[in-house]
Amino acid sequence: GAGVSQTPSNKVTEKGKYVELRCDPISGHTALYWYRQSLGQGPEFLIYFQGTGAADDSGLPNDRFFAVRPEGSVSTLKIQRTERGDSAVYLCASSSYRGSYEQYFGPGTRLTVT
Amino acid sequence: KQEVTQIPAALSVPEGENLVLNCSFTDSAIYNLQWFRQDPGKGLTSLLLIQSSQREQTSGRLNASLDKSSGRSTLYIAASQPGDSATYLCAVKETSGSRLTFGEGTQLTVNP
Repeated sequence: GAGVSQTPSNKVTEKGKYVELRCDPISGHTALYWYRQSLGQGPEFLIYFQGTGAADDSGLPNDRFFAVRPEGSVSTLKIQRTERGDSAVYLCASSSYRGSYEQYFGPGTRLTVT
Repeated sequence: KQEVTQIPAALSVPEGENLVLNCSFTDSAIYNLQWFRQDPGKGLTSLLLIQSSQREQTSGRLNASLDKSSGRSTLYIAASQPGDSATYLCAVKETSGSRLTFGEGTQLTVNP
């Protein structure tokens, strides 16, 4: 596709449940990033992939959060035992690993934990 | 740890005014700085990217400047329009690492 896509656009889940959020980056972009944005705040970094490997996962808040990118394209962010504090917009971005490294963002997934 | 601050947090202006949004960062070892626009309930749209070696970038009515040594950037919007109403975010990429560190944004309202 022409841009970064994310599914679902909205996800409502009950506390304690498991969720998966999907990101499809711009074709050919080797770098992929996940950020989390709480209401009224700027996005906060979660994890960065270069190809299939997580090059920097220092932003993941705890071990309930995990992300994969098995074929170096689509990525899935996985959250176990969701808590109400996980409610936020989860943003995905991708960039080419050369030149300006400009990051292009998807529309986000709004996660609500009830 | 890099910290990014944006002033003001909110700004309301009449249509047609020229305006300046401010961004400051604490660590000057940056690779680039991006300005984004975010409409309510939407993702981020990249407006301008300034490399650390550049002083400014222009796109249409937008001009962004960078003073790396003082840790500051400004986004200048000329002849503002109601369609410019949105939240504007600045973000820096450091020379070490790939993450962007964001400010909290300036919420701009342009009144007809």
